Amino acid sequence: NAGVTQTPKFRVLKTGQSMTLLCAQDMNHEYMYWYRQDPGMGLRLIHYSVGEGTTAKGEVPDGYNVSRLKKQNFLLGLESAAPSQTSVYFCASSFLTSADEQYFGPGTRLTVT
Amino acid sequence: AQKITQTQPGMFVQEKEAVTLDCTYDTSDQSYGLFWYKQPSSGEMIFLIYQGSYDEQNATEGRYSLNFQKARKSANLVISASQLGDSAMYFCAMREGGDDKIIFGKGTRLHILP
Repeated sequence: NAGVTQTPKFRVLKTGQSMTLLCAQDMNHEYMYWYRQDPGMGLRLIHYSVGEGTTAKGEVPDGYNVSRLKKQNFLLGLESAAPSQTSVYFCASSFLTSADEQYFGPGTRLTVT
Repeated sequence: AQKITQTQPGMFVQEKEAVTLDCTYDTSDQSYGLFWYKQPSSGEMIFLIYQGSYDEQNATEGRYSLNFQKARKSANLVISASQLGDSAMYFCAMREGGDDKIIFGKGTRLHILP
């Protein structure tokens, strides 16, 4: 039981390049989330999904796209990376009820130069 | 307006002392849930404790307890008998009733001194 995994763990991109971050969970969770963490800003929600085939915008969705084609996977895409997207990205998943905590992946450190 | 406010960016506490980390929240919902997470220097997010708005008793998990004051919209985390391993960033978070999202505060960095 791996929990929540993220690929890759580190990445350096040049401005304008694109990439996809993969999040996978093996806990059969319905809900999945993508956050970014910047110094002094806490965790900010980028996009989330309440089930296979559904996605919704969070607080800071601009510059990102997501897809949830399979229940266990949640992909975060950067079409044209910008230095402002340098951050640590966390994926999380949870069950349906409001009392359920989120389980987090280990994070992906992305640097855009 | 911020939904979750953590007013202490950093705290220094002597080992074995109790420590209280402040969290205030803003919601007009009657049903909501409050969470605390710990993030050590290694970076992973660790769930600590949960309090539901209708829970009559304050939540406790080992050395962690949540001082829930509903009228003040306050959900402070209390760590008893602090240990060096408690040095970390601590985040308060809230899920409002019927909402799918969990919103996080900006965090408090706790340093435990030997």
